[in-house]
Amino acid sequence: GQQVMQIPQYQHVQEGEDFTTYCNSSTTLSNIQWYKQRPGGHPVFLIQLVKSGEVKKQKRLTFQFGEAKKNSSLHITATQTTDVGTYFCAEAGTALIFGKGTTLSVSS
Amino acid sequence: DTAVSQTPKYLVTQMGNDKSIKCEQNLGHDTMYWYKQDSKKFLKIMFSYNNKELIINETVPNRFSPKSPDKAHLNLHINSLELGDSAVYFCASSGQGVGPYEQYFGPGTRLTVT
Repeated sequence: GQQVMQIPQYQHVQEGEDFTTYCNSSTTLSNIQWYKQRPGGHPVFLIQLVKSGEVKKQKRLTFQFGEAKKNSSLHITATQTTDVGTYFCAEAGTALIFGKGTTLSVSS
Repeated sequence: DTAVSQTPKYLVTQMGNDKSIKCEQNLGHDTMYWYKQDSKKFLKIMFSYNNKELIINETVPNRFSPKSPDKAHLNLHINSLELGDSAVYFCASSGQGVGPYEQYFGPGTRLTVT
């Protein structure tokens, strides 16, 4: 079945450093959604990308959808301790097909 | 006012028991889901219901039986619990019409089978 690969699995940064997580698919994605799950919490929707080459920004977060719609990235500029958690990409169809997530830890 | 609620939040039980998890959403959504998150945080769809009708039934043991009494509720009953059923179970809902839509997740039910 459809799989969305996500890397890295873990990332530790110093506060103020940048962070990027990548999602890749062997087939064309109809869309990509990003979710954040805080430790002990539940996934919370961040954004949806639908168009080829689309770039969206939310404050320090930048989301990109590849031109071929086979990859996506989430970049966080100048991380803060509040950014800790696991970031998931997912393709939304009849249900969400999730990548395995990238767990971000931030030390101050 | 909680959008998607689940009960219980924690469930500790012994192998062989039968247990249920309840989910309710007050968002007026037509579609509800059950996801399982394993110890490595991998989230996988189990079931999806649209307006009380089963849409998705992934490769899940038939010990798991979802029930949707109305479109605001989706419960999950598990028979003969096994150690491997230990996980966090999330209920979610999403809007109707032309999608795709973001999904709203409940707080999760952490099931521990001993």
